[in-house]
Amino acid sequence: QSALTQPASVSGSPGQSITISCTGSSSDLGSYNLVSWYQQYPGKAPKIMIYEVTKRPSGVSNRFSGSRSGNTASLTISGLQADDEADYYCCSYAGSSTWVFGGGTKLTV
Amino acid sequence: EVVLVESGGGLVEPGGSLRLSCAASGFSFSNYAMGWVRQAPGKGLEWVSAVCAGGGCTYYADSVRGQFTISRDNSKNTIFLQMDALRAEDTARYYCAKVRGSGTTIDYWGQGTLVTVSS
Repeated sequence: QSALTQPASVSGSPGQSITISCTGSSSDLGSYNLVSWYQQYPGKAPKIMIYEVTKRPSGVSNRFSGSRSGNTASLTISGLQADDEADYYCCSYAGSSTWVFGGGTKLTV
Repeated sequence: EVVLVESGGGLVEPGGSLRLSCAASGFSFSNYAMGWVRQAPGKGLEWVSAVCAGGGCTYYADSVRGQFTISRDNSKNTIFLQMDALRAEDTARYYCAKVRGSGTTIDYWGQGTLVTVSS
């Protein structure tokens, strides 16, 4: 149950696109198309932005997209806006009702 | 609207115990797995435990197995986390989480309850 690896921080200017990577192993991220991404503002609960690698819940902007290749998943945010500034966490299902999270990435816009 | 409300956090001395509760509403509670995720101050998220919809199956992170016990009462739409032999490293905000019907994605979170282990 080792944590997934994310960059500690990424930054971008309004209107630009950024990508956050998330690297796991063959026992978690590499074995399941079950990666989700969460946005968390300081002092707030996480909010799901992407699930099952590429799916967006109702109400989430289509500026958010996900992908996966091998043991690495990615979250791309296009057309950056000021309120995208938050912490982002990836999460992979790891089998038998267990999950593993990434260490989180602070996005600065 | 899915609403999850945690309670039971607080200050406890090392070696002590606490029981967290999470009251759920807005969905058919007994049809969904539920769980707990924690976040130490200034740190990332850590999955802690999950319980299946019927309550007969439970799952734990290695870091808490044998120390924490998850349970649920479907008649009260509530899950619990019994935490024993608490250590300083258990200090965190504990979030209640709902699992999607597929059983593989955490989709809703409560606001969390803070547990502080300190003498």
